[in-house]
Amino acid sequence: DVKVTQSSRYLVKRTGEKVFLECVQDMDHENMFWYRQDPGLGLRLIYFSYDVKMKEKGDIPEGYSVSREKKERFSLILESASTNQTSMYLCASGGGGQPQHFGDGTRLSIL
Amino acid sequence: AQSVTQPDIHITVSEGASLELRCNYSYGATPYLFWYVQSPGQGLQLLLKYFSGDTLVQGIKGFEAEFKRSQSSFNLRKPSVHWSDAAEYFCAVGASYNTDKLIFGTGTRLQVFP
Repeated sequence: DVKVTQSSRYLVKRTGEKVFLECVQDMDHENMFWYRQDPGLGLRLIYFSYDVKMKEKGDIPEGYSVSREKKERFSLILESASTNQTSMYLCASGGGGQPQHFGDGTRLSIL
Repeated sequence: AQSVTQPDIHITVSEGASLELRCNYSYGATPYLFWYVQSPGQGLQLLLKYFSGDTLVQGIKGFEAEFKRSQSSFNLRKPSVHWSDAAEYFCAVGASYNTDKLIFGTGTRLQVFP
């Protein structure tokens, strides 16, 4: 079975902090994704990566950056956290036309 | 532009009743279509997918979905709902030239009464 692991289930940070969310997949997938999930808005794509060190902006990249130094790991970075970034963050991986597989999510609160 | 519409925000059914969750998509070419389920506090789990071929696809947990090109729909069905099916359901469409990037609907929350 595909395993996508997000480093934290719950995280509480303060405004202005630099926040790192980590995601690791074990299926050698080419592509990895970061989504944000908010009630009534569904899942919105923040960034995705189709290869090591390659990235593309999704629909809502403002205030975020990403890093993919190794194929199995994809990090989401909030450069200076703000309260409007309080949300559920979901990581997914996929490739070769296969469906995306999701991690369990990180519920992030910015105080 | 691609889009996915799930017109029902919230649906309530009795255990044992049949279920149909609606999904309409907008895409010019042949879409790749998916249904995912999310239990509270969890990530998304793939229920089923349609890439090509038979328009009636079977998934896990007894779910099925039918692709209707003329109606731009991909509705999810289950003949008899169990209390454990209570969750949020998301329909998604992927572009045929880049299946890995998905557009999600806003979800339908299913509540099941005993």
